[in-house]
Amino acid sequence: DAKTTQPNSMESNEEEPVHLPCNHSTISGTDYIHWYRQLPSQGPEYVIHGLTSNVNNRMASLAIAEDRKSSTLILHRATLRDAAVYYCILDEDSGYSTLTFGKGTMLLVSP
Amino acid sequence: SQTIHQWPATLVQPVGSPLSLECTVEGTSNPNLYWYRQAAGRGLQLLFYSVGIGQISSEVPQNLSASRPQDRQFILSSKKLLLSDSGFYLCAWRYRVNSPLHFGNGTRLTVT
Repeated sequence: DAKTTQPNSMESNEEEPVHLPCNHSTISGTDYIHWYRQLPSQGPEYVIHGLTSNVNNRMASLAIAEDRKSSTLILHRATLRDAAVYYCILDEDSGYSTLTFGKGTMLLVSP
Repeated sequence: SQTIHQWPATLVQPVGSPLSLECTVEGTSNPNLYWYRQAAGRGLQLLFYSVGIGQISSEVPQNLSASRPQDRQFILSSKKLLLSDSGFYLCAWRYRVNSPLHFGNGTRLTVT
């Protein structure tokens, strides 16, 4: 199974940028990189995903290393509502691909 | 737009009782459907997934089963609940492989 490694927790101050790292050294050439976040007592929420090129949307940016063995989720200005567990997962390109969630990174945001 | 409905939101059941959790998706057809479970303070564990009506794949052998009687309906069941079945159950859907996964609001099950 394709796996990812993330720090257990990170801290940030409100209004500062946050860079959440993810290592995926066993990634295959056709695996997509997905990011989700989960607030307490809620289901995970899709944040962003990409294959090779960096991606931007209204929530965040995804920077993918050239060798694709790591990626970084960037929150440009953290808010208190961004405090959540962030999951980085690989989506294997197969007909029955399933998304396996690890423990993720708990992001703490201080005012 | 597409929406996913999951109910009930909370459930308290005695050990040995049956379980039926339902999930429906609106606004799309032939979605890939998933059941996950999250134990307290733990990550998400994939239980079942389905790529079509009547097609169910189980990731973890356990006391649970799943069925997909209609294209946009996914049901999680148990004949006899165990204490270890307690947790936060999440249904999710997506269009196809490599597309984003969308989760419901979950059912918090407590087995007493």
